[in-house]
Order: sequence, then C-alpha cells, then structure tokens
Amino acid sequence: DGGITQSPKYLFRKEGQNVTLSCEQNLNHDAMYWYRQDPGQGLRLIYYSQIVNDFQKGDIAEGYSVSREKKESFPLTVTSAQKNPTAFYLCASRQLGQGNQPQHFGDGTRLSIL
Amino acid sequence: GENVEQHPSTLSVQEGDSAVIKCTYSDSASNYFPWYKQELGKGPQLIIDIRSNVGEKKDQRIAVTLNKTAKHFSLHITETQPEDSAVYFCAASITGNQFYFGTGTSLTVIP
Repeated sequence: DGGITQSPKYLFRKEGQNVTLSCEQNLNHDAMYWYRQDPGQGLRLIYYSQIVNDFQKGDIAEGYSVSREKKESFPLTVTSAQKNPTAFYLCASRQLGQGNQPQHFGDGTRLSIL
Repeated sequence: GENVEQHPSTLSVQEGDSAVIKCTYSDSASNYFPWYKQELGKGPQLIIDIRSNVGEKKDQRIAVTLNKTAKHFSLHITETQPEDSAVYFCAASITGNQFYFGTGTSLTVIP
C-alpha cells in the first residue's frame, strides 16, 4: 500500500543529545513537510521541501535540521539546541503541479525527554 | 501570514445528532480549505476539502460550506456515530504549499 511511514513511533532523548526521526513515502510526492503538534496548539510547520536537495524553514525551525537527499525520504534531526523537544511530530507529503492537493500524513513520532 | 481560528475546542453530541465546527481565516487570498480527522495516536486523515470557487461540498454524512465574503468555513457532520469521535482540524492554504491549521476540535459522540 502507498503511504507515509514514520519511525520510530516513540523516541526518548537525553540532555545534550541529537535524535533523528525518519520519514519515508512511496507516493512519489514531490513535497514533504515536518510539523510539530502540541496539545491545544494545532500543527506548526518546522521545515518543508519541494524538491531533492532543497528545503525551507517553517515557523518554528530553530533547534531542528533536515535533509532531502532522496525524493522519498525527509529525516528530521532534533538537536540539543531545541530546549523543549517533547511533542508529537508529524511528517506529511503532497503532490505538486496539479492545482491544490491535500497533504497526506504519517502516524507520527512521539518524542519525550529522559 | 495567514491565521486560522477554530471553534469550539470541544464538542459533545448525542449519537444521531448533528455536529458543526467553524473556522475563520484572515487572508482573503486563501483558496483551498481541507478538513482532517485525527484519532488518538494517529496522524490526521483528510475527510473533505473545498476550493474557493465552490460554496458547498458534500460527501455522505459530511459537508463543508465556505463563505468567502465573511472568510469562514464550516464542517457539518449529520447523523453522528460513536466512530466519529476524534479531533478535527481545519486548514487554509494560499499557494497550496504552506498550510495553516486551526487548533482542533475534540468531538465526542455519546451513545
């Protein structure tokens, strides 16, 4: 089945540690996105990418980094500079070039501080 | 940038009744409005969407209405069932690339 796979489902970070969240899609979508979800705050955009080897900051990019070396993969690194990383992280993808198309989401990674 | 407000934050209805969730947006250039349903521990799933050249769209028990003049759009769920219980998010998009989300509505359908 086509879809978006996020791993791991749960992740724990120690102080001063960088952690990487995986996002893979087999929908052949051009664009990929990372969102952070906190209770009562909806979804906030961290980074997005429309094409391989290119990405743009969203509203809350500080303390995060991404790469887009392959069309199907868009990993997110939560660095030690992100002082409040505990949240639910969602990856999404979307096809470009066909008018307005919706985003398709993975099932998320829940990150907690040890 | 765009600002999307969503109300109410929680909503409880009896099974079989209707539920209505409302969103307002600030940028008149927004032209695409999807609605998502999120179940516990899962990612949001698209349930219906509407484009700015349409005033209403219906899919079985779900409908969305759009008032461009007032800059608001609403989700209507009729004949609610317990499996409709979830968190619902509205979103607005201008370019189709960046999406701005409401803060969500937790819907509980009481059997």
